[in-house]
Amino acid sequence: DIQMTQSPSSLSASVGDRVTITCRASQDISYYLAWFQQKPGKAPKSLIYAASSLHSGVPSKFSGSRSGTNFTLTISSLRPEDFATYYCQQYNSYPLTFGGGTKVEIK
Amino acid sequence: QVQLVQSGAEVKKPGASVKVSCKASGYTFTNYYMHWVRQAPGQGLEWMGRINPNSGGTNCTQKFQGRVTMTRDTSISTAYMELSRLTSDDTAVYYCARDLPPVDWGQGTLVTVSS
Repeated sequence: DIQMTQSPSSLSASVGDRVTITCRASQDISYYLAWFQQKPGKAPKSLIYAASSLHSGVPSKFSGSRSGTNFTLTISSLRPEDFATYYCQQYNSYPLTFGGGTKVEIK
Repeated sequence: QVQLVQSGAEVKKPGASVKVSCKASGYTFTNYYMHWVRQAPGQGLEWMGRINPNSGGTNCTQKFQGRVTMTRDTSISTAYMELSRLTSDDTAVYYCARDLPPVDWGQGTLVTVSS
């Protein structure tokens, strides 16, 4: 199975900050990487697919990138509604696997 | 718009089975995979498996092989996930999600396993 190592597991940031979350795959997954946002008690929301493509309706303050097996999610200028937990997922091969999550908290 | 509406919360005893449904609307049900993902209390997301609603073919993670059954009823655009031989470790919210990678998600079904 492909392991997805996500870091950090949590971070504290202020409104207006720029935040970067990293996900590393244990083997090549090409660009088959998705990012999700989850708020407490809610279902995940799909943000990004194919490493850097935003789903319809997702604001452009979210961006994704890839460098080999390393992937990043960047949130520019944090807003209160962005405080949540973020997960990456590889969909290059079955079983699909998620990163452990990054909780973005208010400083 | 796409909607995935799941069945309500369940409380089961250890050793029992649970069957969760996911009714789809707003798109052609047979055109997109349906995935099942679970989340234990305070934990991360765990992919369980998926069904191809067109063929009925399934994949699941080795952890659940022999214990999970994914089916669908195309006449009512509904996918089902049945998990047997429940233990307390199966207490979780279970989600269905459409497409690969998942795009649209159901609201979740809380399954509590308790004696």
